[in-house]
Amino acid sequence: SQQGEEDPQALSIQEGENATMNCSYKTSINNLQWYRQNSGRGLVHLILIRSNEREKHSGRLRVTLDTSKKSSSLLITASRAADTASYFCATVLIQGAQKLVFGQGTRLTINP
Amino acid sequence: EPEVTQTPSHQVTQMGQEVILRCVPISNHLYFYWYRQILGQKVEFLVSFYNNEISEKSEIFDDQFSVERPDGSNFTLKIRSTKLEDSAMYFCASSETSRMNTEAFFGQGTRLTVV
Repeated sequence: SQQGEEDPQALSIQEGENATMNCSYKTSINNLQWYRQNSGRGLVHLILIRSNEREKHSGRLRVTLDTSKKSSSLLITASRAADTASYFCATVLIQGAQKLVFGQGTRLTINP
Repeated sequence: EPEVTQTPSHQVTQMGQEVILRCVPISNHLYFYWYRQILGQKVEFLVSFYNNEISEKSEIFDDQFSVERPDGSNFTLKIRSTKLEDSAMYFCASSETSRMNTEAFFGQGTRLTVV
């Protein structure tokens, strides 16, 4: 797998349901960040989780990080139509270039 | 709320022409970045900039690309001689600190179309 690979590629659920997206990576990270992108728009930062953290919450968002499995998950609870967007995880490596390495993203569709 | 501003939102240019994409980062941020996203593909890192010089650059960022902070507020990306494959969404970002320990704020992007 590549650094920052999301699963599933697309997810379609009913409004009110929870949405879970996963991200896997290969190389040890400093931190992992989740971003949202509405169609054709900019990237909006959602949450940052550091390598020494296991879980973070922000409103309806819950992010977990398992460094032993090199994976992270983003849970959106009680989804709304406005949550329809693409969600990307981005990793910052411990060593090497200080940049965000983005995955391919998960396209989330919330059906009313 | 402070935000990163990019202009123009959409630029159409002929192959071989020079383009300059402009960005105004958040005022107290010190680290600036350009990323691009070809339609349907990943967001890719191009370059990072700190203290008036390039900190990191990717293999995409070849001699055709340059960045500049011409004054205290603007941060520009220049493509000297555009190619068809330069067509993409270009995002500027800024952050307070290095090592990306804090969130990067992205602009809304400039959609560059090379014809």
